[in-house]
Amino acid sequence: NAGVTQTPKFQVLKTGQSMTLQCAQDMNHNSMYWYRQDPGMGLRLIYYSASEGTTDKGEVPNGYNVSRLNKREFSLRLESAAPSQTSVYFCASSLAGVSYEQYFGPGTRLTVT
Amino acid sequence: AQSVTQLDSHVSVSEGTPVLLRCNYSSSYSPSLFWYVQHPNKGLQLLLKYTSAATLVKGINGFEAEFKKSETSFHLTKPSAHMSDAAEYFCVVRGQAAGNKLTFGGGTRVLVKP
Repeated sequence: NAGVTQTPKFQVLKTGQSMTLQCAQDMNHNSMYWYRQDPGMGLRLIYYSASEGTTDKGEVPNGYNVSRLNKREFSLRLESAAPSQTSVYFCASSLAGVSYEQYFGPGTRLTVT
Repeated sequence: AQSVTQLDSHVSVSEGTPVLLRCNYSSSYSPSLFWYVQHPNKGLQLLLKYTSAATLVKGINGFEAEFKKSETSFHLTKPSAHMSDAAEYFCVVRGQAAGNKLTFGGGTRVLVKP
């Protein structure tokens, strides 16, 4: 049971380049999430998918798009990277329902120069 | 709307002494509350959660937290700090109306001195 996996672990982009961050979970969870972590700000929700086939904006969606490819996989795309998107990105998943905790992946450290 | 305030951005303790990490929350509904820990360059791990059952919640690694509705607090404690407790800790709230979306506090970084 790998839990939540993310690729890549590290990435450096130039301003204007695009890339896709991949996330997969093997826990049969319904809901998946993308967060970014910046110093002193905790984690902020970018997008989430409550169930397969649905996606919704979180707190900081601008500059990002997502795709819920199937129940296991949820990808985050940066179409035109900006230095303000330098951050650590975490994917998480959970069962549906308010009492269930989220399980987090190991993170992707992205630097945009 | 919901929010979380972690009252200390840094806490320094000596090994073997108690740890107290303070958290206050705001929520329009009965909240679910969580504490997560993040060790350097790692993902987040759940320490414990409160979901309207017992107000004193025990978690992993000797941590516990008490939900106090009257004070809107959910402070995290451990009787005796260990070197391996050096990490960043996040208090997290989820309100009933927010689906399963979490709101994170800014984090408390714990330093444990030998």
